Amino acid sequence: NAGVTQTPKFRVLKTGQSMTLLCAQDMNHEYMYWYRQDPGMGLRLIHYSVGEGTTAKGEVPDGYNVSRLKKQNFLLGLESAAPSQTSVYFCASSENTGELFFGEGSRLTVL
Amino acid sequence: GQQVMQIPQYQHVQEGEDFTTYCNSSTTLSNIQWYKQRPGGHPVFLIQLVKSGEVKKQKRLTFQFGEAKKNSSLHITATQTTDVGTYFCAGDDTDKLIFGTGTRLQVFP
Repeated sequence: NAGVTQTPKFRVLKTGQSMTLLCAQDMNHEYMYWYRQDPGMGLRLIHYSVGEGTTAKGEVPDGYNVSRLKKQNFLLGLESAAPSQTSVYFCASSENTGELFFGEGSRLTVL
Repeated sequence: GQQVMQIPQYQHVQEGEDFTTYCNSSTTLSNIQWYKQRPGGHPVFLIQLVKSGEVKKQKRLTFQFGEAKKNSSLHITATQTTDVGTYFCAGDDTDKLIFGTGTRLQVFP
């Protein structure tokens, strides 16, 4: 029972490079979320999805895009990475707005 | 948009002392959740409160939801070193959870 799996776990990028973070859940949850965590800032919502084929903006969506083509997967893309996007990214899933199940996190450094 | 604030930001206690963290929302919440994140780990769900004035207990942890459903608190009685971590509240804002800034708890033996 894997729960929520994030790949990659670590990544170093140069400014201007692009990348995609993958989140996969095996709990058949409708809702999926991407948060970023920075020291002293808590968890800030980037984008979320309430079902396959849907996406919506969260608190800090600028510089990110997402896609939910399959119910079990939620992709977070950075088209042109900036140092301000250095952070730990957490994916989570839930049934409605109940308990969130988090992945282990992806640590991204942009040089 | 909705804002969720937590105080204090940090708390250092001696093992055996009590600890409380407070959560305040700028809007009325339909429910509030609490999470714990151990150092280097990911947030883990503790509890959800739904009713106005609700109080729930989990062993040494007591959670309360305010009467106006705009604030909440988490109280730990007689802290232990295993309580170390960051505690987050999260408020339900129409299909999404907005997290508070968290309170980092350090427990000295």
